[in-house]
Amino acid sequence: DTAVSQTPKYLVTQMGNDKSIKCEQNLGHDTMYWYKQDSKKFLKIMFSYNNKELIINETVPNRFSPKSPDKAHLNLHINSLELGDSAVYFCASSRRDITSPLHFGNGTRLTVT
Amino acid sequence: TQLLEQSPQFLSIQEGENLTVYCNSSSVFSSLQWYRQEPGEGPVLLVTVVTGGEVKKLKRLTFQFGDARKDSSLHITAAQPGDTGLYLCAGASRDSNYQLIWGAGTKLIIKP
Repeated sequence: DTAVSQTPKYLVTQMGNDKSIKCEQNLGHDTMYWYKQDSKKFLKIMFSYNNKELIINETVPNRFSPKSPDKAHLNLHINSLELGDSAVYFCASSRRDITSPLHFGNGTRLTVT
Repeated sequence: TQLLEQSPQFLSIQEGENLTVYCNSSSVFSSLQWYRQEPGEGPVLLVTVVTGGEVKKLKRLTFQFGDARKDSSLHITAAQPGDTGLYLCAGASRDSNYQLIWGAGTKLIIKP
């Protein structure tokens, strides 16, 4: 079974639309994350979330919002999509220990036209 | 702003050669992780180093954490085409409130 799974794998949509990306982890981890990887492959943290705390990267536009229905899920909702939102978005999870590795999903390639 | 500088950004070498990738910072890290990412997939952890001066080996890959815990290196011996990928280092420090910060990555291509 896939440890961290995210859907869809590819998402093509028009500017101005609202879309969601779903993420689920079956590792029993406490913390989940959303990352954005741009065309230069730089990984940028967007959000980290556990049961008690949401940490938001201050550079993330408020059009992006994480939604966690339960500990195993952290979905990413994006309003009013813009061309610059095109990127690969990765979900990840980890234990709370700072030395714990991140387990990543296989990414969602978002293309905004 | 804490930075993790990786070098080189891009490396293309022939199968059988050796190479070293570097990850440097002015911050002291509690731990540092190395990941490899292949096209269409997420990064996968290779190793975590936590002790200054620590050396870890993973088959032909040797990871070293600097004595001052500000830098790390990844050395690959006799590189194989299967080593091709994007190598990323990531570290947690008090300066970053123990949130992981990431290097920009080294894109490695091993030609057969």
